[in-house]
Amino acid sequence: SQQGEEDPQALSIQEGENATMNCSYKTSINNLQWYRQNSGRGLVHLILIRSNEREKHSGRLRVTLDTSKKSSSLLITASRAADTASYFCATYGSSNTGKLIFGQGTTLQVKP
Amino acid sequence: KAGVTQTPRYLIKTRGQQVTLSCSPISGHRSVSWYQQTPGQGLQFLFEYFSETQRNKGNFPGRFSGRQFSNSRSEMNVSTLELGDSALYLCASSLPGRNTEAFFGQGTRLTVV
Repeated sequence: SQQGEEDPQALSIQEGENATMNCSYKTSINNLQWYRQNSGRGLVHLILIRSNEREKHSGRLRVTLDTSKKSSSLLITASRAADTASYFCATYGSSNTGKLIFGQGTTLQVKP
Repeated sequence: KAGVTQTPRYLIKTRGQQVTLSCSPISGHRSVSWYQQTPGQGLQFLFEYFSETQRNKGNFPGRFSGRQFSNSRSEMNVSTLELGDSALYLCASSLPGRNTEAFFGQGTRLTVV
């Protein structure tokens, strides 16, 4: 089952523009993680934001978390062609073990 | 620090055969989880191992099994392969604490013909 819903499912922008992806989840969480996946390869860990954090930055990435709305957003600023990938949010299931539950992902295309 | 290593990267098997995939976690990581990714179902949790014990299992048939060794390396096995088992199988490792960052390998692309 998918805990998260991501929006939009696909996004196409020009290099230099900003890209925003949203993720919603259903249960209470301790943290939320964002991953990038290039063309059917492995998942690259981008950032983890804890439930007591509202915003976190890492380079050109900015993640926000609104636990009252059970939602998170990932902003990529000044996008590059190399950012073309699928982006997933993931949270741990309520059983509090290593089971990550993923959204369906947002496919981002950055045109040069 | 070496990342999560999965072998082999690609595999082609025939229906009815069995397959074993391997995952070496990041040094010091004792939790290893496995996921199946398909276009239709997305990323689905298979199972998690911690200290050689299966701690959690997803909703997959008994043909899917796994184990973890004392050095935290893990293997998953799929018996009596079906066409629908064609997928990217991903392994993730994390530190022993709960709700920690999970780091993934490059995956094993399994094609069943």
